[in-house]
Amino acid sequence: DAKTTQPPSMDCAEGRAANLPCNHSTISGNEYVYWYRQIHSQGPQYIIHGLKNNETNEMASLIITEDRKSSTLILPHATLRDTAVYYCIVRANNDMRFGAGTRLTVKP
Amino acid sequence: ETGVTQTPRHLVMGMTNKKSLKCEQHLGHNAMYWYKQSAKKPLELMFVYNFKEQTENNSVPSRFSPECPNSSHLFLHLHTLQPEDSALYLCASSQDGATGDTQYFGPGTRLTVL
Repeated sequence: DAKTTQPPSMDCAEGRAANLPCNHSTISGNEYVYWYRQIHSQGPQYIIHGLKNNETNEMASLIITEDRKSSTLILPHATLRDTAVYYCIVRANNDMRFGAGTRLTVKP
Repeated sequence: ETGVTQTPRHLVMGMTNKKSLKCEQHLGHNAMYWYKQSAKKPLELMFVYNFKEQTENNSVPSRFSPECPNSSHLFLHLHTLQPEDSALYLCASSQDGATGDTQYFGPGTRLTVL
């Protein structure tokens, strides 16, 4: 699976949009981009995934660049409960390889 | 989150003990997974079961023994573990183990080996 690069940490003000970037310059054509988050000592929570097109669900939006070499996860109105480690993963098989992720802290 | 449940949530065991971790999924999925998450290390895939058949074993030591009696239940039997096996053990499930299939995780079992 392709390697991803994410900033180690980010802060966001409560109520504002949180934009979390991810670089995956070596992504292959059949690899999906997945986002999960993990609150301390809990299981990872699925957020969203996509292949080529931008995606939106009740939790977030995923913006994938046209060349697919990077993506951005957008939490439109961050709350304190969104504080977590966010993982960007690119995969084409069953092996969910989590990197170090981005620790997002939402501040009042 | 009640889609994938794991018991116990916390477990402390000695190196000579035998214990089992249990995972149950209520999502109607056919694929189930065991992962290990150690401190400061990425998630490691251990085993994959698809329609009750083991399809992947990522060079996991034999002191970890999985069992999948049906598509809804997955066990991880533990015996003669080492302190370095202390970690968060996560179970996940997906529809049918296909490429790009979304995996949903349970809350994990925090295991401490003394």
